[in-house]
Amino acid sequence: EDQVTQSPEALRLQEGESSSLNCSYTVSGLRGLFWYRQDPGKGPEFLFTLYSAGEEKEKERLKATLTKKESFLHITAPKPEDSATYLCAVQARGGGSNYKLTFGKGTLLTVNP
Amino acid sequence: DSGVTQTPKHLITATGQRVTLRCSPRSGDLSVYWYQQSLDQGLQFLIQYYNGEERAKGNILERFSAQQFPDLHSELNLSSLELGDSALYFCASSVAGTSGVREQFFGPGTRLTVL
Repeated sequence: EDQVTQSPEALRLQEGESSSLNCSYTVSGLRGLFWYRQDPGKGPEFLFTLYSAGEEKEKERLKATLTKKESFLHITAPKPEDSATYLCAVQARGGGSNYKLTFGKGTLLTVNP
Repeated sequence: DSGVTQTPKHLITATGQRVTLRCSPRSGDLSVYWYQQSLDQGLQFLIQYYNGEERAKGNILERFSAQQFPDLHSELNLSSLELGDSALYFCASSVAGTSGVREQFFGPGTRLTVL
């Protein structure tokens, strides 16, 4: 069974204080790893897809990296508007046309001004 | 705005009742997915449809059912509702194709409250 574990559960940062969120995964064969941002009461917003170990993607203050066992979401000089829950999800191979996502429980990031 | 729409935004009902949640995928997307999000379980996959056909099931209760119509919109039907069914229900859609990774784009969700 595919499993995704995110840490920490919650992270509080001061504006400008860089940090990283971790996503550890166990999957029979990785088709893709996804990062989403979710604001309270809203749907997850797609951020990145990573396909293979060593890959990196960047968007504004966010950078996602991938190894064979985990992914990191690095946040550089965060701003209060980066406050949200960040979700990691995996999509496994071997499911034919089953493209379901298995999500972690997320990291709640709070950035104080 | 992801392009995925869901109605209603909020739904309050009583135990034992039946409700229908509706989803319209992004233009051109043939796959629709339903997820349930509760505080303790996180986002859980329920069911996937592709061009009108069921393709995969997750931990979906027998009291729940779904379908995808010829115009590609989808409905999730929840019956004999229990207090524990209170949650956020999300629909997501993705592009069609024969291979490759499929990013999913989520709608704004329907918040179901069962009293």
